[in-house]
Amino acid sequence: NAGVTQTPKFQVLKTGQSMTLQCAQDMNHEYMSWYRQDPGMGLRLIHYSVGAGITDQGEVPNGYNVSRSTTEDFPLRLLSAAPSQTSVYFCASSYGQGTEPQHFGDGTRLSIL
Amino acid sequence: GQNIDQPTEMTATEGAIVQINCTYQTSGFNGLFWYQQHAGEAPTFLSYNVLDGLEEKGRFSSFLSRSKGYSYLLLKELQMKDSASYLCAALTGANNLFFGTGTRLTVIP
Repeated sequence: NAGVTQTPKFQVLKTGQSMTLQCAQDMNHEYMSWYRQDPGMGLRLIHYSVGAGITDQGEVPNGYNVSRSTTEDFPLRLLSAAPSQTSVYFCASSYGQGTEPQHFGDGTRLSIL
Repeated sequence: GQNIDQPTEMTATEGAIVQINCTYQTSGFNGLFWYQQHAGEAPTFLSYNVLDGLEEKGRFSSFLSRSKGYSYLLLKELQMKDSASYLCAALTGANNLFFGTGTRLTVIP
């Protein structure tokens, strides 16, 4: 099984550019989420989805958009990249609600100049 | 607000036992997760506690006291491969997972 697949693995952007980070899972999980991980700050929830067509904001949603048109895919869009969005981004999925263990992708390392 | 505290770094000897503590203050608490994260890799699930008490899973055990806002992860018979960061995370409500900054464990020979 591929599990949770994130693309790209690395990306460098210029300030003001837009970009979509892709996330796909093949486990038929209903719950998917996006986190960012910064040194000394731990993982912070950006957005999450409890099923196709349903999304909600997490702790740090500003500057990011998401959509969930299918069960498998949960892309994260940066509308106008800022240096403060330089981070490692992880996508995760789980079978049900938050009480289920989450399976994480390998991460996307994003640098914004 | 939400707050989770765990030590930043710990060092332990191969074959020994180490306890990593986590204290939390959250609203709508719905359980406590522990994840392991090796450097440059994704977090992987270790344990979930929602009721008070100790849960044992092989060399790893996790404890929760809801009244004290306290959890610990116990690692026995330490191996070099256990060198990693250990992330404590509190579930608030149905879907919001709030992570601590992690404890970096170094196992020495």
